[in-house]
Amino acid sequence: AQKITQTQPGMFVQEKEAVTLDCTYDTSDPSYGLFWYKQPSSGEMIFLIYQGSYDQQNATEGRYSLNFQKARKSANLVISASQLGDSAMYFCAMSGLYNFNKFYFGSGTKLNVKP
Amino acid sequence: NAGVTQTPKFQVLKTGQSMTLQCAQDMNHNSMYWYRQDPGMGLRLIYYSASEGTTDKGEVPNGYNVSRLNKREFSLRLESAAPSQTSVYFCASSEEQGLRNQPQHFGDGTRLSIL
Repeated sequence: AQKITQTQPGMFVQEKEAVTLDCTYDTSDPSYGLFWYKQPSSGEMIFLIYQGSYDQQNATEGRYSLNFQKARKSANLVISASQLGDSAMYFCAMSGLYNFNKFYFGSGTKLNVKP
Repeated sequence: NAGVTQTPKFQVLKTGQSMTLQCAQDMNHNSMYWYRQDPGMGLRLIYYSASEGTTDKGEVPNGYNVSRLNKREFSLRLESAAPSQTSVYFCASSEEQGLRNQPQHFGDGTRLSIL
């Protein structure tokens, strides 16, 4: 079975500072993908970044980067230079080679950016 | 540039009533999904359709049925609504996963309340 754990229910960060949102996972699949989504208060789910388990480098997308530590089974999202518009729920999700059509989501972290 | 379109956006039902949530995507994706999101929780997979003509159960299928009408459309039906099915429902689609996990693209959600 696959499991995603996000241990930070809520986080605060000062505007313009960097913040790390934690995500750990558990899977027996030899190949898997890790995803981060943002859910603003308006409710839509916005795809941010993807990391494949065999990717040699950590993924980056603009101000988002993924700190992937395979041995520790962690895939933390780093947001640099936080903006007020970054205030939202953030979900980590995973799919695996044997269950590639099934996404497993964590419970989310609510990020509040303070001016 | 619609992406994934869900209808309706809001619905209130009485216990025992039935209804169908509609979902359509215009990205020519093979795979489509239905999730529910309860307060303070991540998304849980109800059903998915890996390709036209196939459907499979996800994590929480009880009380629901689905129909993959064609490649574009994937509907979710509640035959006899129960208060426990009060939730926000998300439809998503993705390219065929293959060897590389693909992100899922989400609709804006349907907020369903059952009295």
